[in-house]
Amino acid sequence: KQEVTQIPAALSVPEGENLVLNCSFTDSAIYNLQWFRQDPGKGLTSLLLIQSSQREQTSGRLNASLDKSSGRSTLYIAASQPGDSATYLCAVKGNQFYFGTGTSLTVIP
Amino acid sequence: EAGVAQSPRYKIIEKRQSVAFWCNPISGHATLYWYQQILGQGPKLLIQFQNNGVVDDSQLPKDRFSAERLKGVDSTLKIQPAKLEDSAVYLCASRERDSYNEQFFGPGTRLTVL
Repeated sequence: KQEVTQIPAALSVPEGENLVLNCSFTDSAIYNLQWFRQDPGKGLTSLLLIQSSQREQTSGRLNASLDKSSGRSTLYIAASQPGDSATYLCAVKGNQFYFGTGTSLTVIP
Repeated sequence: EAGVAQSPRYKIIEKRQSVAFWCNPISGHATLYWYQQILGQGPKLLIQFQNNGVVDDSQLPKDRFSAERLKGVDSTLKIQPAKLEDSAVYLCASRERDSYNEQFFGPGTRLTVL
């Protein structure tokens, strides 16, 4: 069974800092990997989708990489802002979607 | 493009009562998922539909949970009877048919069982 781990569980950084969130998975037989943002009491907002054949995807200040062979993905956030404070979840698509437990990010003004 | 709609947004019930949640996916999305998200955890898949057929319900507690998508569009998830441990956010998501497409989530229904 696929296991998805996200480290760290919580992260607090000052505004303006660049940061990296990590996601690891045990089974490399995946279709794609998707990063989500979840605000308190809200649903999940899709940030980036990386297909299994791709190495990275970029959207604005966000860059996600995928190394399928090592079972790892990173989400890089440049020049963090207080509005980036949320929980970030990664999910891998195999025969179903498997989610990590998330990283809770706080950006301090 | 309208997103995934869910109702109600919040529900408080007592244990042993029944409850139902409704989801309307993005138009044209053949695949629909129901997830359970317990506080502090990632979402856990309960059931996946492809059109009106069940693809995966291996993690659905079938003694108390049921779900249907009769016309292949909107879906309902029911819990009967509810237990304290069912307190969670129930998320609905949809996706176009191909496995390579991303999934889109609704706002969720927060269930509290007292």
